[in-house]
Amino acid sequence: ETTLTQSPAFMSATPGDKVNISCKASQDIDDDMNWYQQKPGEAAIFIIQEATTLVPGIPPRFSGSGYGTDFTLTINNIESEDAAYYFCLQHDNFPLTFGQGTKLEIK
Amino acid sequence: QVQLQESGPGLVKPSETLSLTCTVSGGSISSYYWSWMRQPPGKGLEWIGYIYYSGTTNYNPSLKGRVTISVDTSKNQFSLKLSSVTAADTAVYYCARSLIAAAGTPDYWGQGTLVTVSS
Repeated sequence: ETTLTQSPAFMSATPGDKVNISCKASQDIDDDMNWYQQKPGEAAIFIIQEATTLVPGIPPRFSGSGYGTDFTLTINNIESEDAAYYFCLQHDNFPLTFGQGTKLEIK
Repeated sequence: QVQLQESGPGLVKPSETLSLTCTVSGGSISSYYWSWMRQPPGKGLEWIGYIYYSGTTNYNPSLKGRVTISVDTSKNQFSLKLSSVTAADTAVYYCARSLIAAAGTPDYWGQGTLVTVSS
């Protein structure tokens, strides 16, 4: 089973900032990494697939990078609506596993 | 756009069976995998498993033996049953549509439903 270590667990940013969220896999998972955004009481939204591909309809200020074991979700020029819980998922092997999540607060 | 909605009891007694249904709207349940995940309070998400509309399933080994996912194509619904529940099964349960080409990656999710296991 692949363990995903996501960090930080919590972060605070100001509108216009750039933020990075990390997800490290316990073994090589190629580019089989996805990222999601979830706001309280709402359905999770699929934002990055295959580590680097922006899901259609997602603003281009979101981007993903990485391959193998180290992955990063970057949000450029952050906006107040980006306040949410973000989590990573690997689909290289079963069982699918998730990172512990990052709560992003916008000041 | 596909929408998913979980439904079922919010309270289940220990040793009983948790039963949830996910209703899919805005698209057919034929094609795609259909998944369940859960998130215990204060913890990360856990993948439970998925079903293909034909009935093929894939479960998380950590829950093997207790979990059953089924599909009703006539109602555009799929369901989760988890037997012999304990307090450790208290969680928000999510259903999702999942991509066959990406090993069951969820793309559209429901809002989730909290199930508490308590006497």
